[in-house]
Amino acid sequence: DGGITQSPKYLFRKEGQNVTLSCEQNLNHDAMYWYRQDPGQGLRLIYYSQIVNDFQKGDIAEGYSVSREKKESFPLTVTSAQKNPTAFYLCASSMIRGRIYGYTFGSGTRLTVV
Amino acid sequence: AQKITQTQPGMFVQEKEAVTLDCTYDTSDPSYGLFWYKQPSSGEMIFLIYQGSYDQQNATEGRYSLNFQKARKSANLVISASQLGDSAMYFCAMRDSGGSNYKLTFGKGTLLTVNP
Repeated sequence: DGGITQSPKYLFRKEGQNVTLSCEQNLNHDAMYWYRQDPGQGLRLIYYSQIVNDFQKGDIAEGYSVSREKKESFPLTVTSAQKNPTAFYLCASSMIRGRIYGYTFGSGTRLTVV
Repeated sequence: AQKITQTQPGMFVQEKEAVTLDCTYDTSDPSYGLFWYKQPSSGEMIFLIYQGSYDQQNATEGRYSLNFQKARKSANLVISASQLGDSAMYFCAMRDSGGSNYKLTFGKGTLLTVNP
């Protein structure tokens, strides 16, 4: 079945460490996105990508980095520069042409700084 | 800039009753789309319903309907015959056609609790 796979489900990071969250889709979607969700907050866009080897900053890109070397994959690295990384991270994908019925989301990664 | 406002942090409804979750939006773009998502406690985001700004009729999907009032810039979600499994966070989101027309902006959500 087609879908988006995020891994790991839970991730613990020590202060000063970089960590990478994985996101893979087999829906043949063009665009992929990373969102951050904090308690009581909506989803805030970190980065997005329309095509391979191209990506754009979202509203809260500081302290994060991404790559898009393959259409299917859009990993997110949370760097040590991100001062408050504890949050729930959601990856999504969509087509970018025609009528859009919404994103397809992964099941999320819960990151905790220890 | 786009803005989505959900003014109800939490809502309670009795099982089998209908409930309306409010959403207002702000955009200067004549072409836009409105979405509702459900997020259970497991964290996954489930797409519920979509309304395009040029759609003549309100969208419906099973027990979900969207009360679209364009002049008031509101897109309220109506859930009929509530079930216990409807207890979840509900997010309203919008996409407009300016610039990156595939980017969604989300509201802060409404936590719905269905009581037996």
